[in-house]
Amino acid sequence: GEDVEQSLFLSVREGDSSVINCTYTDSSSTYLYWYKQEPGAGLQLLTYIFSNMDMKQDQRLTVLLNKKDKHLSLRIADTQTGDSAIYFCAERDSSASKIIFGSGTRLSIRP
Amino acid sequence: DAGVIQSPRHEVTEMGQEVTLRCKPISGHDYLFWYRQTMMRGLELLIYFNNNVPIDDSGMPEDRFSAKMPNASFSTLKIQPSEPRDSAVYFCASSRLAGGPSNTGELFFGEGSRLTVL
Repeated sequence: GEDVEQSLFLSVREGDSSVINCTYTDSSSTYLYWYKQEPGAGLQLLTYIFSNMDMKQDQRLTVLLNKKDKHLSLRIADTQTGDSAIYFCAERDSSASKIIFGSGTRLSIRP
Repeated sequence: DAGVIQSPRHEVTEMGQEVTLRCKPISGHDYLFWYRQTMMRGLELLIYFNNNVPIDDSGMPEDRFSAKMPNASFSTLKIQPSEPRDSAVYFCASSRLAGGPSNTGELFFGEGSRLTVL
């Protein structure tokens, strides 16, 4: 079945870049997503990428997709304290209905 | 639109009691999902509906869990009887079917129902 894996924790210094990595198994995924969860809240869509794209940039966010290796990454430039959250990688399965989430990566910012 | 609305936000109950969690999806969305979040297992998909019909309930842990969607604007997740290992945050999310650049199939989440079973 589908599976999405990501590391559980990442700590970066304020002002540095954060890179969160994710691997997935469904080679026919149509959309891949990054969601952000702040404490005590639900998940919110941060950005997404179509499976036929290699890269997407949106202000401080850069998403890279390597379909061959089934690897997705999220880069946050100039990381700020407000970026502290849990970041979830997700894929939409080939039937275009179900979304499978990774376990989430908790990003913490140190001064 | 008010977004996905879940109730209760917090529930503390004793083992063996029945628990009912409620969800109102965003109007016009034809998919509704129930997820459970724990530290140990992360975010697990329990069940999802399309046009009020359950499509995949393979994530429901056991027969103690049941979910219904009697109409397009309401869904419940019931646990009977509840056990301490059911303690988690339960999220409801809704979406429209993905199709084309104007609709990515984004999931809109409620704020969650935090359940504690003593």
